[in-house]
Amino acid sequence: DQQVKQNSPSLSVQEGRISILNCDYTNSMFDYFLWYKKYPAEGPTFLISISSIKDKNEDGRFTVFLNKSAKHLSLHIVPSQPGDSAVYFCAASEAGGGADGLTFGKGTHLIIQP
Amino acid sequence: DTGVSQNPRHKITKRGQNVTFRCDPISEHNRLYWYRQTLGQGPEFLTYFQNEAQLEKSRLLSDRFSAERPKGSFSTLEIQRTEQGDSAMYLCASSPPPRGAAPNYFGPGTRLTVT
Repeated sequence: DQQVKQNSPSLSVQEGRISILNCDYTNSMFDYFLWYKKYPAEGPTFLISISSIKDKNEDGRFTVFLNKSAKHLSLHIVPSQPGDSAVYFCAASEAGGGADGLTFGKGTHLIIQP
Repeated sequence: DTGVSQNPRHKITKRGQNVTFRCDPISEHNRLYWYRQTLGQGPEFLTYFQNEAQLEKSRLLSDRFSAERPKGSFSTLEIQRTEQGDSAMYLCASSPPPRGAAPNYFGPGTRLTVT
């Protein structure tokens, strides 16, 4: 049973436009959520996180939104750039994060078209 | 800050052989994690150390797998009697001491191929 779901295996966006990546979770005990970016043959790179006490966190071009009632989070990238082409993973943890391992979704492959 | 390092980056082994991977975390990080990633999947949690203590193990970690972190610094992950299903990317991550939630910072991974 997948506790973190990314239902779009891939997403294509034009350079300069907004990219919106979505993630749903089923475990109501999750209280810390993260997005990672992964290039081929590299480990995941941490992008941005959000605690369950917030509904929005922003860092430069990246914004994460959390809707606890819907058990849904999204990552907005604006404007999208060619270097943003990568696989993006949504992850979640319980108990304030860190102490338990992260639970990951299967990823969404973002392709930024020139 | 040199980041998390893992060695070797690639390992090809024959079924039935034992393999050992090493992870060096970011120096001030006392929490260390091992994950496994197969094609088309996200990373799956295997085990977690706080300093030298192994505090959590996933049910994915069969008795052929053992992890150690003897002095609370580097860690090793050993797989005994490898099987073809063990072929995957093995990722190590570290995290700073608990001051609220903190991300896992990942190394580049060790890709294991069992033939």
